[in-house]
Amino acid sequence: GNSVTQMEGPVTLSEEAFLTINCTYTATGYPSLFWYVQYPGEGLQLLLKATKADDKGSNKGFEATYRKETTSFHLEKGSVQVSDSAVYFCALPPYSGAGSYQLTFGKGTKLSVIP
Amino acid sequence: EAGVAQSPRYKIIEKRQSVAFWCNPISGHATLYWYQQILGQGPKLLIQFQNNGVVDDSQLPKDRFSAERLKGVDSTLKIQPAKLEDSAVYLCASSLAGMTYEQYFGPGTRLTVT
Repeated sequence: GNSVTQMEGPVTLSEEAFLTINCTYTATGYPSLFWYVQYPGEGLQLLLKATKADDKGSNKGFEATYRKETTSFHLEKGSVQVSDSAVYFCALPPYSGAGSYQLTFGKGTKLSVIP
Repeated sequence: EAGVAQSPRYKIIEKRQSVAFWCNPISGHATLYWYQQILGQGPKLLIQFQNNGVVDDSQLPKDRFSAERLKGVDSTLKIQPAKLEDSAVYLCASSLAGMTYEQYFGPGTRLTVT
């Protein structure tokens, strides 16, 4: 089945630093790819998504490009803020043609941004 | 618009005891999911409902876990009896029926089994 691998955390950055969180996937076909974010004490929220190869998802200054050549969907932000401190999850459907809209999540990468 | 509601937020029980979690999805969302999130891991799907029918419960440990969604709205997840390894955050999520991968998550219930 499909799977996703995220870079190990935690990641600690100073405010205004550049962020990259790596995500690579193994999949049959070209499934949609997602980044979810979990702020402290809250549930997961969809951050951005890409539905086909070469698509770029973006939201709140974050971007990720669906690259089929490298099977990657790395999350980037040019200048992080303290409010970006959270756990970030890469996700995709568990197998091609799932149809039931389930998601398989990576282990998560905890980001801490210090002033 | 109200989000996904879950209760309780925290629960501590001893092993072999029983526990139940409640979830109220976003109004109009026909699909409801229960996930288990063990510390340091991503959420793992336990069960998915479409209205009041089960779509997938292949990863639900049915010897001790049960879930129901009798009227196609609220849902309850039960563990009986609990084991130490059940300590986790239990997340409920909902989405529009068959239309999207965008799931809306509740804040979760943190269960500690001692």
